[in-house]
Amino acid sequence: GAVVSQHPSWVICKSGTSVKIECRSLDFQATTMFWYRQFPKQSLMLMATSNEGSKATYEQGVEKDKFLINHASLTLSTLTVTSAHPEDSSFYICSAHDGRELHTQYFGPGTRLTVL
Amino acid sequence: GQNIDQPTEMTATEGAIVQINCTYQTSGFNGLFWYQQHAGEAPTFLSYNVLDGLEEKGRFSSFLSRSKGYSYLLLKELQMKDSASYLCAVLGGDYKLSFGAGTTVTVRA
Repeated sequence: GAVVSQHPSWVICKSGTSVKIECRSLDFQATTMFWYRQFPKQSLMLMATSNEGSKATYEQGVEKDKFLINHASLTLSTLTVTSAHPEDSSFYICSAHDGRELHTQYFGPGTRLTVL
Repeated sequence: GQNIDQPTEMTATEGAIVQINCTYQTSGFNGLFWYQQHAGEAPTFLSYNVLDGLEEKGRFSSFLSRSKGYSYLLLKELQMKDSASYLCAVLGGDYKLSFGAGTTVTVRA
């Protein structure tokens, strides 16, 4: 089956630093990748949609200059949280779509970010 | 916009049946998903309904009524390992997923 990986699985950083999270599709080409954020005891909220080779589309309320998304290849998308603050501490999950069945998204295992 | 409602918590006994309801109001509809999520983990796919009716898959079944904007997930023969959060998610007209807040199911011995 389709496998999506994320790296790192968890990260702790100091306030003001930037953190990069990678999302990779291991055995398929992902034409579209989605980035979600989940705060404790809340549901997943879509942050942005990225298509390979083009700019990401951000959901309302998500700062594009703070959450930089790069989808440089068909198997890799990165999310960089710039100048992270404690309120950015969350569970970040990516999913990938292979362009065939439009209803199918494959989720990565998630990255737990803690900003001190 | 999307509005998806599901109960916050449910408790049931091992071996019992639990039904988790989900109602939705969305702009465009391309299907409804149910996911299971254990604490600290990513959601795992349980079911997908795009047409009205009941889909059965082992101990789990999912039902959809598009005219009523309603779905339910039925968990039968509950096991302790079924204790988790269950997320109802709707795929909108733009093929983006909108998630409900999740229902935490606790299975007691």
